[in-house]
Amino acid sequence: NAGVTQTPKFQVLKTGQSMTLQCAQDMNHEYMSWYRQDPGMGLRLIHYSVGAGITDQGEVPNGYNVSRSTTEDFPLRLLSAAPSQTSVYFCASSYWGGIHNEQFFGPGTRLTVL
Amino acid sequence: KNQVEQSPQSLIILEGKNCTLQCNYTVSPFSNLRWYKQDTGRGPVSLTIMTFSENTKSNGRYTATLDADTKQSSLHITASQLSDSASYICVVSGRGSQGNLIFGKGTKLSVKP
Repeated sequence: NAGVTQTPKFQVLKTGQSMTLQCAQDMNHEYMSWYRQDPGMGLRLIHYSVGAGITDQGEVPNGYNVSRSTTEDFPLRLLSAAPSQTSVYFCASSYWGGIHNEQFFGPGTRLTVL
Repeated sequence: KNQVEQSPQSLIILEGKNCTLQCNYTVSPFSNLRWYKQDTGRGPVSLTIMTFSENTKSNGRYTATLDADTKQSSLHITASQLSDSASYICVVSGRGSQGNLIFGKGTKLSVKP
């Protein structure tokens, strides 16, 4: 199993540009989520999904869109990038339900917005 | 407000020594507490998951303890190795779902030869 994969690993954007961060998992997990990690702060939840066709907002959803058309894929879209979105983005997945479900994280995408 | 506080912020120890990292939380209601290890430039990796009824859980040289009454947890690392150099993140779930995970800021551990 490849686990959770993310592409690209690094990206530089100009203010106002759009892009999609890709996330895929091959563990048949129902739950997938996107976090951002900024210096001096804990990971913060952007959006999450409990299954194909179902998405919901997390703590910091503004400026980001998601969709979940398949169990495997959960892309994160930045419609108009802003410098405040400079961060490291992590995708995670796990089984849904139960209280011992381990979350598996991807390797991250380091995004810089100029 | 639901919060997870970790101490110390950073720690330097010599290889072979033991250390203990602390986590205090105010998350309520409480479901479970997790410790993750995050190597530089990588995603977090789960070390332990404990519910309120579990006082201790081990994973190799890592032992986590939980006191649900005082809302405190600790992660003890025994006989540290250079590969233990990483950030250790405490995460508390406020209900039985992953949609409400509260992350601490982490403790950055450096193990020196």
